[in-house]
Amino acid sequence: KQEVTQIPAALSVPEGENLVLNCSFTDSAIYNLQWFRQDPGKGLTSLLLIQSSQREQTSGRLNASLDKSSGRSTLYIAASQPGDSATYLCAVSPTTSGTYKYIFGTGTRLKVLA
Amino acid sequence: GAVVSQHPSWVICKSGTSVKIECRSLDFQATTMFWYRQFPKQSLMLMATSNEGSKATYEQGVEKDKFLINHASLTLSTLTVTSAHPEDSSFYICSARAGNQPQHFGDGTRLSIL
Repeated sequence: KQEVTQIPAALSVPEGENLVLNCSFTDSAIYNLQWFRQDPGKGLTSLLLIQSSQREQTSGRLNASLDKSSGRSTLYIAASQPGDSATYLCAVSPTTSGTYKYIFGTGTRLKVLA
Repeated sequence: GAVVSQHPSWVICKSGTSVKIECRSLDFQATTMFWYRQFPKQSLMLMATSNEGSKATYEQGVEKDKFLINHASLTLSTLTVTSAHPEDSSFYICSARAGNQPQHFGDGTRLSIL
């Protein structure tokens, strides 16, 4: 059974720092991995989608990498800003499901201090 | 980009009533829709997967008689929480996808049962 874990569970950093969020999954048989942002009481905002054949994706200050064989992904946020404060979720789509459903990680609650 | 609309965004009702939540794909035909539940400070847990015109597939531990899912058209899926009780209070999020394209998520419905 696929399990997705995110470390750290919570993170508080001063503005301007570069930071790394970690996601690990137990089964490497995945279609893709996606990183989301969730603000309190809100839905999900898609940040980056990495297909299983890809190694990384970049969007602005965000860079996500994928090492499928070791079951790991990292989300790198450069020059963090208070507006980046949110919960970050990673999700994998296991190939064994046949339906492209997502298994979500436990999330990292990020607070960037001004 | 693709838009998924979820309605209502917030509902409060008395214990014992049934509540229907709608999930619509506004600009694409969703062959598959997913329903997730999120308890406070926890991650999203998949409840069920529904394909247009067929019965939903429920995850282990989710009562199908309690959470009725209908996916009658390629743009609409509904989740009905029957005889809702306070323990059903949660944040419910739907997502939709066409073929093997990425999932697009709704903004969620906050359900509070008094």
